[in-house]
Amino acid sequence: AQKITQTQPGMFVQEKEAVTLDCTYDTSDQSYGLFWYKQPSSGEMIFLIYQGSYDEQNATEGRYSLNFQKARKSANLVISASQLGDSAMYFCAMRPRRGGGNKLTFGTGTQLKVEL
Amino acid sequence: EPEVTQTPSHQVTQMGQEVILRCVPISNHLYFYWYRQILGQKVEFLVSFYNNEISEKSEIFDDQFSVERPDGSNFTLKIRSTKLEDSAMYFCASSERGRGRRYPSTDTQYFGPGTRLTVL
Repeated sequence: AQKITQTQPGMFVQEKEAVTLDCTYDTSDQSYGLFWYKQPSSGEMIFLIYQGSYDEQNATEGRYSLNFQKARKSANLVISASQLGDSAMYFCAMRPRRGGGNKLTFGTGTQLKVEL
Repeated sequence: EPEVTQTPSHQVTQMGQEVILRCVPISNHLYFYWYRQILGQKVEFLVSFYNNEISEKSEIFDDQFSVERPDGSNFTLKIRSTKLEDSAMYFCASSERGRGRRYPSTDTQYFGPGTRLTVL
């Protein structure tokens, strides 16, 4: 069974600063995909970034980057130059790339608040 | 930019009633999913659907639940006899491809805005 752990229920960051949201995972699969989603207070789930387990480089998407450490089974999200609009709940999720199903397994989320 | 749409945005129903939640996935996507999120909790997988049949379902997805793709654009989740504990946000998602494909961007699941179901 796969498990995602997000140990930070809440985080605060000053506007324009960088912040790291932690995610560790547990799986016996060799091939898997890791995702981060953002959920603003309005409720929708917005895809941010993807990392494949065999990708040699850390994924980046604009101000988002993923600090992927396979041996430690961690996939931390780094948001650079935080903006007020980044205040939201952030979920880490995993899906096996081969075998099993397509389902995403989510963590419990981290509530990020960006302050002036 | 194409997006997943869901209707209604909020549904209030009495316990024991049937509800149908509707979704229009992104047009060239082939894989469809339903997830739910009970207030304040994490997102949970319910079911995945491909080629007009269920490809995987969770323990939550019991006989009270069913999914259907009645035409070329809609994807629906039906709850036959709602319970209080079915109150949650229900998300539809779609992806262009399933797992194991060469280009991971096509595996990404894009979510709709959700339907908040309240069972009284």
